[in-house]
Amino acid sequence: QSVLTQPPSVSAAPGQRVSISCSGSGSNVAINYVSWYQHLPGAAPKLLIYDNNKRPSGIPDRFSGSKSGASATLGITGLQTGDEADYYCATWDTSLSAGVFGGGTKLAVL
Amino acid sequence: EVQLVESGGGLVQPGGSLRLSCAASGFTVSSNYMTWVRQAPGTGLEWVSVIYNDGRTYYADSVKGRFTISRDNSKNTLHLQMNSLRAEDTSVYYCARDPFYSTGLLNWGQGTLVTVSS
Repeated sequence: QSVLTQPPSVSAAPGQRVSISCSGSGSNVAINYVSWYQHLPGAAPKLLIYDNNKRPSGIPDRFSGSKSGASATLGITGLQTGDEADYYCATWDTSLSAGVFGGGTKLAVL
Repeated sequence: EVQLVESGGGLVQPGGSLRLSCAASGFTVSSNYMTWVRQAPGTGLEWVSVIYNDGRTYYADSVKGRFTISRDNSKNTLHLQMNSLRAEDTSVYYCARDPFYSTGLLNWGQGTLVTVSS
């Protein structure tokens, strides 16, 4: 059972927009930076968003991050079939003194 | 170019030990936060341990007291010493670099598989 709660799966049509939620608590998401990762089978995870809403160089602006209170959201616009992957949120948990990942969300582009 | 290459994975019996290495190039390990993340078969990513640039270390409860993270500055290499291994430690282990000092893991290795089984 993950400290951060994500929906197991989301789906949308090509070209549409999807949001993936990440729910935490006052000891993690509410007070620390959140990052988001895309993970394709057999590959290393890729950083999409760090510090809640910043994109590393090379990540298209179709990907966006936001945070409100103890919840964070990853938004993906202009969905492409290549976006089908598992998506994870992560942050620091001050009470645990440890990093934590969400359980992951599988995105299907139908 | 930043590169991370893990090694040291393999098959080990329950109760055994293994030492993973992560050779870095293109940046200085000791100047970054360096993290180990693992993924057990059919499950999601699990944070394992971090070593800060100032040397402080932190561990997930699931590995505390059994795993030790360290770095060799002369070889620009990160290590994970894993003792008292259990079947549930079976995973692909990734090392990752956080240049933002905030759990933003920008660069990742390709992963090394650790299998704990008799």
